[in-house]
Amino acid sequence: DSGVTQTPKHLITATGQRVTLRCSPRSGDLSVYWYQQSLDQGLQFLIQYYNGEERAKGNILERFSAQQFPDLHSELNLSSLELGDSALYFCASSEGSNYGYTFGSGTRLTVV
Amino acid sequence: AQKVTQAQTEISVVEKEDVTLDCVYETRDTTYYLFWYKQPPSGELVFLIRRNSFDEQNEISGRYSWNFQKSTSSFNFTITASQVVDSAVYFCALSEAHLIQGAQKLVFGQGTRLTINP
Repeated sequence: DSGVTQTPKHLITATGQRVTLRCSPRSGDLSVYWYQQSLDQGLQFLIQYYNGEERAKGNILERFSAQQFPDLHSELNLSSLELGDSALYFCASSEGSNYGYTFGSGTRLTVV
Repeated sequence: AQKVTQAQTEISVVEKEDVTLDCVYETRDTTYYLFWYKQPPSGELVFLIRRNSFDEQNEISGRYSWNFQKSTSSFNFTITASQVVDSAVYFCALSEAHLIQGAQKLVFGQGTRLTINP
């Protein structure tokens, strides 16, 4: 157990639907990062939050949004889902100053 | 902007052979961190090593070794006497350091799929 918890582990949904992926960071970590890994693709950075505030944005679609709550857990909301959104979504956390990143086990999203 | 290039998309070797995975990076910062991660077929990301830009010493951990050369912006990974269990996708990644904001996002290469055949 890495200390970063992602739920659910697997999710199957239909096109046009909306889903929420959840991430609980490792205890003490203030930063949360979301990554998308499509089939046979590398890991694409989506967004970073630090202590509740958005810090950096990557190639995140407008249909996607995220937030980090006061208890530091984060949610990634994906709406109007398309087949191409099928991917493995990873969450990582870091304390901020020690450059150690801890990854969760990922949520595998399948859009049918 | 940062960029990480892993030119080798796939590598296939026979067990017990040595194999080197290449990683070339680009960054404008003088302070940064380099990483290698392993992604086995089960899908999770396994941390292998972190190296900061001021430490160019090579590192060895068992059958794994890493060669960091700032002059060529490379951070290559060698597996000695490879084993079937080493079969996985390996990712090289870069994080730029920020004095005030601390850890920044990890930028990953496209990964190298390594297959070790018995």
